[in-house]
Amino acid sequence: RKEVEQDPGPFNVPEGATVAFNCTYSNSASQSFFWYRQDCRKEPKLLMSVYSSGNEDGRFTAQLNRASQYISLLIRDSKLSDSATYLCVVNMVRGATNKLIFGTGTLLAVQP
Amino acid sequence: DTAVSQTPKYLVTQMGNDKSIKCEQNLGHDTMYWYKQDSKKFLKIMFSYNNKELIINETVPNRFSPKSPDKAHLNLHINSLELGDSAVYFCASSQWEVFPYEQYFGPGTRLTVT
Repeated sequence: RKEVEQDPGPFNVPEGATVAFNCTYSNSASQSFFWYRQDCRKEPKLLMSVYSSGNEDGRFTAQLNRASQYISLLIRDSKLSDSATYLCVVNMVRGATNKLIFGTGTLLAVQP
Repeated sequence: DTAVSQTPKYLVTQMGNDKSIKCEQNLGHDTMYWYKQDSKKFLKIMFSYNNKELIINETVPNRFSPKSPDKAHLNLHINSLELGDSAVYFCASSQWEVFPYEQYFGPGTRLTVT
């Protein structure tokens, strides 16, 4: 089983749509959680950290369910500029090691 | 101002050659990383250095040798390049003991081995 699993997509949605991405992780010792965004031929960029209480940043809402080992990202009112690959990322800290484990990413294409 | 920078951006070379990629961060972070993103876009950690000390060394061939002259720099030297080394290599940095341990990435070096 992969350490971080995501639906690869692609998700093709019209502008203005609401889209949700899900992610599961296998290691219950994981300590922090993120969504990164990667545009074509660019580096991953931090979109938001994810907390158990849920957090919102404008049109983006992230949720973490530790019991189910499940992370979600909701994008409301999709824009053309939201088209990218969304990476679910889990951080594990074991002793002196601090390691990000990436999912394979979910491709979002917002259509005009 | 660029936070994490890498040089070169593109590198095309022949099998058997030795090459280096340089990384610098001006974020004041104490931990730096090298990641490899293969043709299937899967991003995987290779190495991590904390205050110039090697912390993580994933199962990477010993043809790959990271070097950290100071905590703002982490270079990657690759000996005897092989076709399978073709990938995008990303450098990243973070502050070690600051929850939630976010990492910031450089623009990547696209390595093509012919």
